Amino acid sequence: AQKITQTQPGMFVQEKEAVTLDCTYDTSDPSYGLFWYKQPSSGEMIFLIYQGSYDQQNATEGRYSLNFQKARKSANLVISASQLGDSAMYFCAMRDYGGSQGNLIFGKGTKLSVKP
Amino acid sequence: NAGVTQTPKFQVLKTGQSMTLQCAQDMNHEYMSWYRQDPGMGLRLIHYSVGAGITDQGEVPNGYNVSRSTTEDFPLRLLSAAPSQTSVYFCASSFDRGVPGNTIYFGEGSWLTVV
Repeated sequence: AQKITQTQPGMFVQEKEAVTLDCTYDTSDPSYGLFWYKQPSSGEMIFLIYQGSYDQQNATEGRYSLNFQKARKSANLVISASQLGDSAMYFCAMRDYGGSQGNLIFGKGTKLSVKP
Repeated sequence: NAGVTQTPKFQVLKTGQSMTLQCAQDMNHEYMSWYRQDPGMGLRLIHYSVGAGITDQGEVPNGYNVSRSTTEDFPLRLLSAAPSQTSVYFCASSFDRGVPGNTIYFGEGSWLTVV
């Protein structure tokens, strides 16, 4: 069965420093995708970054990068040069593509607080 | 494009009342789904649909009903509201569930309180 685990309920980071949010996953499907979403206090789900299981390189999107370690089944989000506006909930999610229902499964999230 | 539109954004219900959360998308997406978000639980899948006329249960389907009569609309019905259904509800859609990298679009969320 699919499972996403985020072990950090809350984290603090100093403004302008880098921070890593942890995510491990479990699936038996060889074809899957990993997503990170940001949820600010206003509540909307904002897509940040995507990594496919067959992608050879780690995904990057501006200040966001995904540290994908396939053998360890981890997909950690790295935010470089944190900004006050990065304070939010962050969710890791996974979707199987190989033949299951293709539903997006979420972790429980990490609340990031950026200190000035 | 409107994307994924959810209504209402806020709703207060009395225990036992029924209501429908509306979800509509204008992107001709095959796949649509409903999630609920509770503190400390992340988003959990309630029901999903892979096309018009096809629906299935997710992780937490009890107390909810769905139908998909058109590609565009995927309403979520609360049959007899209970305080345990107080939550934030999100509708999401994508063009095809089986294509790697397809963007998943979320509605803005519906805040539901059952008293």
